[in-house]
Amino acid sequence: QVQLVQSGAEVRKPGASVTIVCRPSGYTFTSYPIHWVRQAPGQRLEWLGRITVGNLNTEYSPKFQDRLTLSRDTSATKASMELRNLTSEDSATYYCARGRGYLVLDFWGQGTPVTVSA
Amino acid sequence: QSALTQPPSASGSPGQSVTISCTGTSSDIGRSDYVSWFQQHPGKAPKLIIYDVKTRPSGVPDRFSGSKSSSVASLTVSGLQAEDEAVYYCSSYGGRDNYMIFGGGTKLTVL
Repeated sequence: QVQLVQSGAEVRKPGASVTIVCRPSGYTFTSYPIHWVRQAPGQRLEWLGRITVGNLNTEYSPKFQDRLTLSRDTSATKASMELRNLTSEDSATYYCARGRGYLVLDFWGQGTPVTVSA
Repeated sequence: QSALTQPPSASGSPGQSVTISCTGTSSDIGRSDYVSWFQQHPGKAPKLIIYDVKTRPSGVPDRFSGSKSSSVASLTVSGLQAEDEAVYYCSSYGGRDNYMIFGGGTKLTVL
């Protein structure tokens, strides 16, 4: 069965960076893009970007363009996101999700809570 | 960043039907058939229940249905069950500068 397992909770100070890893299984990793979405406490879901695993094509939300990097390692079957220059507003749960078709996020990871605090 | 508008809450009794709206503009829902709905239970990841306006993924009960008229998408839950109590989010293609946008979520309460 399709599963996406994410790395564990992170705590960072303002100005630091965080990297979250997503490890999919149960399907051909290179055949589907990976999207990243976050959710601050009590807030709506927010799309960060996506990476097309097969050809490494990336697309970022303009809001995060300057400080977000998405990557993948096909040999290790994992996708990663790095968010830099963190502020308290980046405190949220971050999700990876498998993409299918156009904007169809059909399977999600369990989420990774990130807390940014001095 | 533009966003979609949902009512904050909706409710119904077991067995009843409830419809949740998702209002966008001519730049997003109005020009896109890439509307999805997600169900999220507390402490859990979102779950896809409708995509491409009205298509249900395998395993999602046919009690869930989606539709769209102009710039408003709708999710109808028929034959409400206790396990349907959750927060429901809509999403849509938002254009080149807002690739994927979400609604604020609707908390569905089964009375």
